[in-house]
Amino acid sequence: SYVLTQPPSVSVAPGKTARITCGGNNIGSKSVHWYQQKPGQAPVLVIYYDSDRPSGIPERFSGSNSGNTATLTISRVEAGDEADYYCQVWDSSSDPWVFGGGTKLTVL
Amino acid sequence: EVQLVESGGGLVQPGGSLRLSCAASGFTVSSNYMSWVRQAPGKGLEWVSVIYSGGSTYYADSVKGRFTISRDNSKNTLYLQMNSLRAEDTAVYYCARGELEPDPFDYWGQGTLVTVSS
Repeated sequence: SYVLTQPPSVSVAPGKTARITCGGNNIGSKSVHWYQQKPGQAPVLVIYYDSDRPSGIPERFSGSNSGNTATLTISRVEAGDEADYYCQVWDSSSDPWVFGGGTKLTVL
Repeated sequence: EVQLVESGGGLVQPGGSLRLSCAASGFTVSSNYMSWVRQAPGKGLEWVSVIYSGGSTYYADSVKGRFTISRDNSKNTLYLQMNSLRAEDTAVYYCARGELEPDPFDYWGQGTLVTVSS
């Protein structure tokens, strides 16, 4: 089945830019979605179709996808952005839905 | 307003069965695709199963042959029948909605905890 690889953790100082990667074989040919999950809460969609933002998600959140890596970028990071982030793709050739292992974003 | 409310979780012995429900409001379950996603304690998200609007169903290899996803259109409710439960099935189970694959899961329930232990 298709495998998505994320770094276990990323740390960033407030006001700086955080970049969370999601690696997969030719992931640039797939549509990538990103979810934010805070402790004790259900996941929330923050980026869909590589770079689109749902209503209510700050413009500080952006995404890109090319080659073998998709990236979630959070600009001007705030303390409230501290959470786990998961990438997800739909893969018609195996398990339809695949999640990355998740990345814990720590705001220093 | 779209809402998803799971129920049916609890403590069950290994080898036992449990049925989870996900009551939907604000939209029609049969017009969307619906999935179950689980999260073991301290672990990441794991996709479990999906039922598409046309009725096709798919399962993760880890639950294939043991879990069954279904829906009751009259009750606008999604189900997950879980049989032959194992300790490794212990997790919070979320139901989630998408409009049409490969659209993302745009709404999630609050989750229900399933604990498999003797």
